Amino acid sequence: GQNIDQPTEMTATEGAIVQINCTYQTSGFNGLFWYQQHAGEAPTFLSYNVLDGLEEKGRFSSFLSRSKGYSYLLLKELQMKDSASYLCVTYTNAGKSTFGDGTTLTVKP
Amino acid sequence: DTGVSQDPRHKITKRGQNVTFRCDPISEHNRLYWYRQTLGQGPEFLTYFQNEAQLEKSRLLSDRFSAERPKGSFSTLEIQRTEQGDSAMYLCASSRAVVAGENTGELFFGEGSRLTVL
Repeated sequence: GQNIDQPTEMTATEGAIVQINCTYQTSGFNGLFWYQQHAGEAPTFLSYNVLDGLEEKGRFSSFLSRSKGYSYLLLKELQMKDSASYLCVTYTNAGKSTFGDGTTLTVKP
Repeated sequence: DTGVSQDPRHKITKRGQNVTFRCDPISEHNRLYWYRQTLGQGPEFLTYFQNEAQLEKSRLLSDRFSAERPKGSFSTLEIQRTEQGDSAMYLCASSRAVVAGENTGELFFGEGSRLTVL
């Protein structure tokens, strides 16, 4: 089965750093995605981890520990436009992507 | 590349009616997914296809829901005898199958079809 846990809401200040955690229990786990979804829009791809470790992509980084069933998304130098929902998504060997319920991030001035 | 397109964007129907949504994926993508999303929740998996083969259908879905991808290109999602609980955004996404070192299998979403059942 698939079970993905992430905090419901987080608040941070413009210019700061925020870390959004995700734990999962996924049969046939192959990799983990993070997607961003602004209100009223479809999700868009941010990052993908298949091996343990940190993947850095500009202001965004994502970390994966397969043995712990744990990932985090790190957002640096927060901007107001980063206010959105961040979705942790597991990907299986069969090609199925399962979404968590998302973490709503609010960036305040 | 015109992206993933969905039609209609909005549908209002009365309880008990049937509705059909269409999704046209990115042309070179062989995988196609349907998700349903309600306010405050993440997208909920409904079903997915590799080419024309339906690989999995969510056990949460009743028999009122059916999806097809007859020629491995566009797909349709039909909901029969709609209920008010079916009101949601129906999202379609497509991807390439993952090839190590070549692509991640990331999903490209359409803008969704919003269903309101009165």
